[in-house]
Amino acid sequence: GENVEQHPSTLSVQEGDSAVIKCTYSDSASNYFPWYKQELGKRPQLIIDIRSNVGEKKDQRIAVTLNKTAKHFSLHITETQPEDSAVYFCAASRRGYSTLTFGKGTMLLVSP
Amino acid sequence: GAVVSQHPSRVICKSGTSVKIECRSLDFQATTMFWYRQFPKQSLMLMATSNEGSKATYEQGVEKDKFLINHASLTLSTLTVTSAHPEDSSFYICSARDPTGSQPQHFGDGTRLSIL
Repeated sequence: GENVEQHPSTLSVQEGDSAVIKCTYSDSASNYFPWYKQELGKRPQLIIDIRSNVGEKKDQRIAVTLNKTAKHFSLHITETQPEDSAVYFCAASRRGYSTLTFGKGTMLLVSP
Repeated sequence: GAVVSQHPSRVICKSGTSVKIECRSLDFQATTMFWYRQFPKQSLMLMATSNEGSKATYEQGVEKDKFLINHASLTLSTLTVTSAHPEDSSFYICSARDPTGSQPQHFGDGTRLSIL
């Protein structure tokens, strides 16, 4: 089955800096890669996603890049703000609506 | 607003009690729902896939007799933790597949289960 590795496990940045979280996946048939933000005790919220036919996608301060050959994808957050502090999870699935395999998560702390 | 409702949000009960958690899709028909368990500071681990009108598919290592799943309608799936013990204490989250929506899965708010 699919295996998703996520790094780093924790990331501390100063407000205004950029943050990058990286994930690798093992199943070459995976074609959908969402990123979730989860605050303590709350549901995961989809913040951005990318499909395998696209190499990069951007939504305001958030961007995701995908390298299918290397089987890795990354989340980029620019101009970080304290409210960006949360745990971020990457995930992968074979089909857009199929089972999601999650990475272990990255705790992002943005200091004012 | 939430499109998946999960209830209850918090349960505290004695060891040996069975606990039922409900997951409802509010705006769409969900033929498939997913149940996850999340321990503190860990990722979401898929427990089982719930299919309307058929038996759930359990992930390896998840006891189907311990975690009973029923998906009797297109908008409701239930997870029953039978004879719960302290090691079952966790955050349980459901999600519903929405093939017509912008997101493949909509998550519920989760249930914090604490077994004393």
